[in-house]
Amino acid sequence: DAGVTQSPTHLIKTRGQQVTLRCSPISGHKSVSWYQQVLGQGPQFIFQYYEKEERGRGNFPDRFSARQFPNYSSELNVNALLLGDSALYLCASSLWGSDEQYFGPGTRLTVT
Amino acid sequence: RKEVEQDPGPFNVPEGATVAFNCTYSNSASQSFFWYRQDCRKEPKLLMSVYSSGNEDGRFTAQLNRASQYISLLIRDSKLSDSATYLCVVNFGNEKLTFGTGTRLTIIP
Repeated sequence: DAGVTQSPTHLIKTRGQQVTLRCSPISGHKSVSWYQQVLGQGPQFIFQYYEKEERGRGNFPDRFSARQFPNYSSELNVNALLLGDSALYLCASSLWGSDEQYFGPGTRLTVT
Repeated sequence: RKEVEQDPGPFNVPEGATVAFNCTYSNSASQSFFWYRQDCRKEPKLLMSVYSSGNEDGRFTAQLNRASQYISLLIRDSKLSDSATYLCVVNFGNEKLTFGTGTRLTIIP
């Protein structure tokens, strides 16, 4: 079975631009979470979605937004990029009600 | 104080040795606990859940002490392939996982 997939794998943007990252969960998983991991730190929670609704939000500015589609895939959108947004963006999926989350390979975003 | 704290290491351990990591968490109402493993420039992978009674999976043993609010991971007979960063993870009951900064382990031949 395919695991969590994310696209693109790498991305380079300049300050002020906008970016959209994509995630497809494991088949049968209806919950998707997004995390940001900067170098030397553990992942930090950004959002959780279930059944197309936001179920949790971390301490990130409104420049960060996300949505989930009827097929349970998800997009993370970041507007007005800052240098500090450079990080590995991880998507994780889980069965609803289970807190065992399985991560995709991530999208490495570099903002110049 | 961070919600989940780990010794960042690095731990440099000879092959075959036993190594232990500890992690403390801040909220006594925490619901569930995990250890994840992360290889360099890869995604975190679930290593094991941590149960109140303690649990073992091959060479790996995880323990939870709710009274003292800490979690431990013990790796016996360490292999070169165990070299990675080990992330302590806590679910505080709010549908999100909170990660420690990770402990870097290098197994030396």
